[in-house]
Amino acid sequence: AQSVAQPEDQVNVAEGNPLTVKCTYSVSGNPYLFWYVQYPNRGLQFLLKYITGDNLVKGSYGFEAEFNKSQTSFHLKKPSALVSDSALYFCAVRDRGAAGNKLTFGGGTRVLVKP
Amino acid sequence: GAVVSQHPSWVICKSGTSVKIECRSLDFQATTMFWYRQFPKQSLMLMATSNEGSKATYEQGVEKDKFLINHASLTLSTLTVTSAHPEDSSFYICSAEPGREYEQYFGPGTRLTVT
Repeated sequence: AQSVAQPEDQVNVAEGNPLTVKCTYSVSGNPYLFWYVQYPNRGLQFLLKYITGDNLVKGSYGFEAEFNKSQTSFHLKKPSALVSDSALYFCAVRDRGAAGNKLTFGGGTRVLVKP
Repeated sequence: GAVVSQHPSWVICKSGTSVKIECRSLDFQATTMFWYRQFPKQSLMLMATSNEGSKATYEQGVEKDKFLINHASLTLSTLTVTSAHPEDSSFYICSAEPGREYEQYFGPGTRLTVT
C-alpha cells in the first residue's frame, strides 16, 4: 500500500521569505512523486513531478522540490514566497511498479503568505 | 496544453433525482480518467478509475450503482449520481492522464448540492 503524509495542516510565512511544505511518502517500490496546488473552488494545478534522474526538480511558478530516497521525503520549496502563493498544496505518490496508476494524496497543507 | 474541462461547474438538484457530470480532455487523448470526491478542507478521495471502452474500477466503499461511470471515448468520461441525497453533496473532480509516466491533469471541479 502507498501513503503520503503532510505533517503540517497550515504553514504561515511572510512575503519574501522562503517557503517549505513538507511531504513524506511510503511505497513498496520506487515512487513517482507529484505536487499540486489548489485554489478555492478550483481543481488541482500541477506544479512539478519526480520520475527519475536529478533529485532536485524545478517546476512552475518558481517552486522546486527535492527527492530524498533515504528520508522518503519530497519537500516543496520556494525561495521567496508571494501573497499569491496562498493556497492548498497537495503531495501525491504513485508506486512505479504497482499495477494500475492510482495516485495517493496527502491530506494537504494550507499555505498563508502574509504581506 | 493538457486541459481538462468539467461540466457543469455547479449544480443544484432535488433529492431523488439524478445528475450527470462530464469530464473532457480537450487537447489530448486519455485512456484513463479518474473521479475524485473532495469534502470541505479535506483531501481528494479517489472514487473510481475509468478506462475507455471498459468498466470502471471502483474503490472500496464506493457504490457502483449509485455512481455510474461511463468512458465512451478517449476524451470523455461521465459520472452520473443516481437518486441523489443530501449526503452526496460534495465537490467532484475528474482527472485525465496521457500516459503512465505523466502527471494527471485535473478538471476545475463540479460542486453538487442536493436539497
